Amino acid sequence: AQTVTQSQPEMSVQEAETVTLSCTYDTSESDYYLFWYKQPPSRQMILVIRQEAYKQQNATENRFSVNFQKAAKSFSLKISDSQLGDAAMYFCACSGNTPLVFGKGTRLSVIA
Amino acid sequence: DTEVTQTPKHLVMGMTNKKSLKCEQHMGHRAMYWYKQKAKKPPELMFVYSYEKLSINESVPSRFSPECPNSSLLNLHLHALQPEDSALYLCASSIRGTGAFYNEQFFGPGTRLTVL
Repeated sequence: AQTVTQSQPEMSVQEAETVTLSCTYDTSESDYYLFWYKQPPSRQMILVIRQEAYKQQNATENRFSVNFQKAAKSFSLKISDSQLGDAAMYFCACSGNTPLVFGKGTRLSVIA
Repeated sequence: DTEVTQTPKHLVMGMTNKKSLKCEQHMGHRAMYWYKQKAKKPPELMFVYSYEKLSINESVPSRFSPECPNSSLLNLHLHALQPEDSALYLCASSIRGTGAFYNEQFFGPGTRLTVL
């Protein structure tokens, strides 16, 4: 079984600045994937970025990048050049041979 | 077509009513999921269908009854619900069915259910 911990219930960032959301996980599986999902107030859950555990290179999607530290079981999300549209609930999730396990989420506010 | 659709968007029902939620995807995905989400909480897995067969039931009360008529369609039948069942119900799909669930899930916009 997996567990996912997000220790920051709320974060805020100034528009155009950079923010990092933290996530730690625990799993006994050797093959697993990690995800960051975004859920704006409009409620649709959208995949932001994914990381395969066997890949050492950190995943990047435009302004979104991760810092994957496998030994420390850490998977943080960095958002660069923050935009108003980035305001949302962000969920970290882990999946191996069992369905997605979500963290409790971090609510990100973007200040104009 | 890279989306999961859900109908209706909103549903209000009494505790004696019978209603159904519908989810559809045309991405050729072989796994489909139902989640329940309370405000400011992560989604809670309810059911997983893999290759149109129920593979996971997370001890969900029998007043929720899932159905997968074909690989593109997933229903959730509701009967004799309680006010605490009011929540956002999310449907999701993923490429693979059995075995590895590690491929990402694509979520629908959800149905906001209110039980009076």
